[in-house]
Amino acid sequence: GENVEQHPSTLSVQEGDSAVIKCTYSDSASNYFPWYKQELGKRPQLIIDIRSNVGEKKDQRIAVTLNKTAKHFSLHITETQPEDSAVYFCAASMRAGNKLTFGGGTRVLVKP
Amino acid sequence: DTEVTQTPKHLVMGMTNKKSLKCEQHMGHRAMYWYKQKAKKPPELMFVYSYEKLSINESVPSRFSPECPNSSLLNLHLHALQPEDSALYLCASSQAGGRSGNTIYFGEGSWLTVV
Repeated sequence: GENVEQHPSTLSVQEGDSAVIKCTYSDSASNYFPWYKQELGKRPQLIIDIRSNVGEKKDQRIAVTLNKTAKHFSLHITETQPEDSAVYFCAASMRAGNKLTFGGGTRVLVKP
Repeated sequence: DTEVTQTPKHLVMGMTNKKSLKCEQHMGHRAMYWYKQKAKKPPELMFVYSYEKLSINESVPSRFSPECPNSSLLNLHLHALQPEDSALYLCASSQAGGRSGNTIYFGEGSWLTVV
């Protein structure tokens, strides 16, 4: 089955700096890669996703890149703010949201 | 409206009790999911229903019994649970079918404590 690895497990950044989280996946058939943000005690919320026919996608301060050849995808957060502090999960799915495999998570702390 | 609602929000049950978790969505989604999340871990898939039929069971113990009464509702029946089953149980839904992944929307979860 699919295996998703996520690094780093914790990330501390100064407010205003950028944060980068990297994930690798094992199954070349995976074609959908969402990123979820989970605040303490809350549900995972989708912040951005990318499909295998696209190499990069941006939404305001958040961007995701995908390298299908290397089976890597990354989340970039620019101009970080304290409210960006949360756990971020990458995930991969082969089709139709049928079976989403999550990475281990990255705890991001943005220091004011 | 991207709302998946779950009840109850908190549940404490004994190891001999029978209880149920309930989930409802009105987004017209035809795929619904149960995930289990332990502290500081990612969500783990338990069950997937597609068009009201169980399509994936991730080798979940029989003390967890899912039910999908209709396209909007999903239940998880609990019986004879163990303390290690204490966790956050997340319901989710998405469109079904298609050639690539569909966005999965999570409910707020039910915090379960087994005593």
